[in-house]
Amino acid sequence: DAKTTQPPSMDCAEGRAANLPCNHSTISGNEYVYWYRQIHSQGPQYIIHGLKNNETNEMASLIITEDRKSSTLILPHATLRDTAVYYCIVRVGLNAGNMLTFGGGTRLMVKP
Amino acid sequence: GAVVSQHPSWVICKSGTSVKIECRSLDFQATTMFWYRQFPKQSLMLMATSNEGSKATYEQGVEKDKFLINHASLTLSTLTVTSAHPEDSSFYICSARDQAGNYGYTFGSGTRLTVV
Repeated sequence: DAKTTQPPSMDCAEGRAANLPCNHSTISGNEYVYWYRQIHSQGPQYIIHGLKNNETNEMASLIITEDRKSSTLILPHATLRDTAVYYCIVRVGLNAGNMLTFGGGTRLMVKP
Repeated sequence: GAVVSQHPSWVICKSGTSVKIECRSLDFQATTMFWYRQFPKQSLMLMATSNEGSKATYEQGVEKDKFLINHASLTLSTLTVTSAHPEDSSFYICSARDQAGNYGYTFGSGTRLTVV
């Protein structure tokens, strides 16, 4: 699985958009970008994933650069409940392969 | 959506005793279960992978005789920490996936183990 690089921490004001970057310069053509988050003392929660097109769901938007070497997770209107560690994971589709490997993630602090 | 129920959510035990953690998939058949461990301010580290009806595969450095994993049915996997010691205190999280991957990887809510 391709390695990812994320900033260790970020702050965001409540109500503003939170933009979390992820670098994955060694991504392969068949690898997806997945985002999970972990709120304190809970299990990770799936947010969104994409291959090369931008994706949006009720939780977030995922913007993937044209060369697929980086991506940004966007929480359009961050709330205090979005304070969590956000993990960017690059790997083959979840219907194949083995475990999810977690890196350090980005600790997002949403402040009032 | 897919739900994985993990119990207990927290447990305190005495050093030398054993603790069992259960992980159940409520609305899908979990052909594969993953067990992770997470120490404070660290990321999740995979401990072992188990397929229903087979012996678990342990990651390097994880003692299989200390962390007993049973995955006897498609909806239940258990992790037993045997002869627990204070250094085993950690946050244990299970994750389940179905054979086709239709439900992705669904995580339990975690178990906070404190060994005193």
